[in-house]
Amino acid sequence: EDKVVQSPLSLVVHEGDTVTLNCSYEVTNFRSLLWYKQEKKAPTFLFMLTSSGIEKKSGRLSSILDKKELFSILNITATQTGDSAIYLCAVEEDSNYQLIWGAGTKLIIKP
Amino acid sequence: NAGVTQTPKFRVLKTGQSMTLLCAQDMNHEYMYWYRQDPGMGLRLIHYSVGEGTTAKGEVPDGYNVSRLKKQNFLLGLESAAPSQTSVYFCASSYTGREFFGPGTRLTVL
Repeated sequence: EDKVVQSPLSLVVHEGDTVTLNCSYEVTNFRSLLWYKQEKKAPTFLFMLTSSGIEKKSGRLSSILDKKELFSILNITATQTGDSAIYLCAVEEDSNYQLIWGAGTKLIIKP
Repeated sequence: NAGVTQTPKFRVLKTGQSMTLLCAQDMNHEYMYWYRQDPGMGLRLIHYSVGEGTTAKGEVPDGYNVSRLKKQNFLLGLESAAPSQTSVYFCASSYTGREFFGPGTRLTVL
């Protein structure tokens, strides 16, 4: 059965720390992996990764995909309280109209 | 360009009542989705549509029905609401991979 597993489920750090969120997957025909951020509202898109080893970067956030080992990481450097959110990982398969979603990592940044 | 909109934003129902949630998108996307999200949990797919006039069941379809009569609209119906359907409902649309989400509807069933 196709699945996406995120770890840790929750994480509490102090402002300024660097965090690494993990997403591993088992799917039949991988096409892309997506990261979303969800605060107290709808998920907002962060990154889409389709090729192995390529890093996507936006400000303090970056993500890399390892297609050989079937995982992705999301890094956040110099965390701020505004980074507190649930981070969701999802995988798209070829010829499948649905994303397969992980359960999310709840990140809390303490001032 | 409004993106994905949902109505209503909030609703309280009594057990056994019915209601329809409306999702509209102006991005000409083929694919549309209805999810529910319960506290502390991820997104669970209820139903989805790959084009006008087509619908399919997702992970948790029981107790819900959908219709996609127009490409831009995707309706989610609850025929006889139950307390277990208390949740936040998100609609999303996509053309490939990346899904765009509506703001959500918070539904409480008493």
